[in-house]
Amino acid sequence: EPEVTQTPSHQVTQMGQEVILRCVPISNHLYFYWYRQILGQKVEFLVSFYNNEISEKSEIFDDQFSVERPDGSNFTLKIRSTKLEDSAMYFCASSEGWGQPQHFGDGTRLSIL
Amino acid sequence: EDQVTQSPEALRLQEGESSSLNCSYTVSGLRGLFWYRQDPGKGPEFLFTLYSAGEEKEKERLKATLTKKESFLHITAPKPEDSATYLCAVSPPNDYKLSFGAGTTVTVRA
Repeated sequence: EPEVTQTPSHQVTQMGQEVILRCVPISNHLYFYWYRQILGQKVEFLVSFYNNEISEKSEIFDDQFSVERPDGSNFTLKIRSTKLEDSAMYFCASSEGWGQPQHFGDGTRLSIL
Repeated sequence: EDQVTQSPEALRLQEGESSSLNCSYTVSGLRGLFWYRQDPGKGPEFLFTLYSAGEEKEKERLKATLTKKESFLHITAPKPEDSATYLCAVSPPNDYKLSFGAGTTVTVRA
């Protein structure tokens, strides 16, 4: 069964450094998303991406964050200058269409020191 | 404001002991309600989508139902492998995002 894959599974970074999280969505899906889950808290929406542009973003997704689809298969989340509070599990998801089920990867655990 | 509230927070069941999980939502004009299962250290795994009141979906020992204000996930004769956190999420109108509840952690003892 097709699945969303994320790399790396765990990323440890010094505060202030840039980090790039990578995702390969399901191949025939057109909508892409990033969510995060701080330990013990709800899954929170960050951003959605369709037709090579951001379609919606949350208040969390400020100027430190950016997303890109550099080629036909990858979808990336960049955090420009990491803060301690960016430590969380980051999930990538994709869906076939708007309102269709979103399928999630197993996440990247980001630890900021 | 909380759009999705799940109860109970935790549920401990004996193998074979059926029970129900609740998801209440406040968003109007719901475009879809989604149930996911999440195992520790893993991403949410899609289970069901419900689009309109009265709709029901089933998969193995799980059955999801939807009313205008809430959804139930019924677990019939659970097994230890059904132990997980079950997440409910809603898709508001005109939004791309899913808004998640905090989840119900189900533990099934053999």
